[in-house]
Amino acid sequence: GEDVEQSLFLSVREGDSSVINCTYTDSSSTYLYWYKQEPGAGLQLLTYIFSNMDMKQDQRLTVLLNKKDKHLSLRIADTQTGDSAIYFCAESLYNFNKFYFGSGTKLNVKP
Amino acid sequence: DGGITQSPKYLFRKEGQNVTLSCEQNLNHDAMYWYRQDPGQGLRLIYYSQIVNDFQKGDIAEGYSVSREKKESFPLTVTSAQKNPTAFYLCASMPTDHSNQPQHFGDGTRLSIL
Repeated sequence: GEDVEQSLFLSVREGDSSVINCTYTDSSSTYLYWYKQEPGAGLQLLTYIFSNMDMKQDQRLTVLLNKKDKHLSLRIADTQTGDSAIYFCAESLYNFNKFYFGSGTKLNVKP
Repeated sequence: DGGITQSPKYLFRKEGQNVTLSCEQNLNHDAMYWYRQDPGQGLRLIYYSQIVNDFQKGDIAEGYSVSREKKESFPLTVTSAQKNPTAFYLCASMPTDHSNQPQHFGDGTRLSIL
C-alpha cells in the first residue's frame, strides 16, 4: 500500500502556532486531506488541497503542499486548547475511491 | 441531517463469538468503508464496497466479513477467527462521482474482549 507518514506527537502553548507535517510516497495523489479526531469520536474533515495547488488558507488553518518533496503541512494559527486532538493526513489517488491515512499526530495544547 | 450512524458505541465479545457492527448512512453515497484503529496507529482498511452487492478486501480482511445488500447499510462481522479484535472501528462513506468529496466518518464502535 501507499506510505503516509506523520510524527506521533506535538506539544505547543496556547496562542502559539502549530505545524503538523506529513510525507507521502505516491506522486499520483490527486487530493490531500487533513482530518481531526477528538477522543472517542470519528474523523472530522478540516480541509483539503488539490495536488496542483501549493497553498490553501481557511481561517486559522493554512495547508502547504510541496509536491516535489511530497510534503504536506497543516499550520494552525493561535492554537487553542480546543484544538487538542489527533490530526490525520490522507491522500486519495487517481481512482478517488481509496484513501491512505497517516498514523496521526497527537497535538497537545498547554494553557 | 445527513450522516453516518454506527452502533453500538461500545461492544463486548466473548471468546469464540461472532459480533456484528452496524453502519448506516443517509448521504446517498455509493462507496462505504470499514477501518480499524489501534492506539498510535493510523487507520487500516478492512473492507470496502463501491456499489451494492459488491465489496473488496482491504489490507487486513482476515477474520472479518461484510455484506452490502442495501446502499444505506454496510455491516461488519468480527468473527471468532479474528484473534485480536480489540480496537476502535470506524465506518466511512463517499460518493464515487470522481469529485473532490472526502470520506465522511461515523463516530466509531469500540470493541473489547470479555
